[in-house]
Amino acid sequence: DVVMTQTPVSLSVAIGQPASISCKSSQSLVGTSGKTYLNWLLQRPGQSPKRLIYLVSKLDSGIPDRFSGSGSETDFTLKISRVEADDLGVYYCLQGTHFPNTFGAGTKLELK
Amino acid sequence: QVQLKESGPGLVQPSQTLSLTCTVSGLSLTSNSVSWIRQPPGKGLEWMGVIWSNGGTDYNSAIKSRLSISRDTSKSQVFLKMNSLQTEDTAMYFCARDVYYWGQGVMVTVSS
Repeated sequence: DVVMTQTPVSLSVAIGQPASISCKSSQSLVGTSGKTYLNWLLQRPGQSPKRLIYLVSKLDSGIPDRFSGSGSETDFTLKISRVEADDLGVYYCLQGTHFPNTFGAGTKLELK
Repeated sequence: QVQLKESGPGLVQPSQTLSLTCTVSGLSLTSNSVSWIRQPPGKGLEWMGVIWSNGGTDYNSAIKSRLSISRDTSKSQVFLKMNSLQTEDTAMYFCARDVYYWGQGVMVTVSS
């Protein structure tokens, strides 16, 4: 199975400051179609996860452009340009290229 | 409006079989895939398996021998059955479409 290594485990950020989360996969996530099925999700406390980004860098509808995704092959990053209170929760990367799909262990974003 | 809703018993005895239902509205199962994902209390997400729009299935190899996913397209329902339950299977169980649309989850506790 593809192992998704997510860092850091937790992140303490002040409102208005940037944040960055890394996700590294144990093998390339480029699929046979040439597409890279790397997603980022946010799970707020007590809620179901919410997808923010798919195909590495495509923002889902309604997701503010403070969020951005980048990367290729095995190395991916989620960036928040200016953290807001609503951004708090646990962020997960998820690869959908290989079966079984696998999640990173999560990064908990907290307020400083 | 797409909605998914999980239902099933909250408590299952060890060694017994878990049966969950995901009732879908706003989309057709014959043109959409539905996945099952679970989350033990305080832990991360685990992708369990998927039923594709053509009715085919793929499972997480770690639980493949215990897991079965099926559907009733006429009722817009997807079913999860997992046997030989142990305490480690205590988790919130979610169904999701493309990890974009999620159900609210159903908490399952394995205990005697």
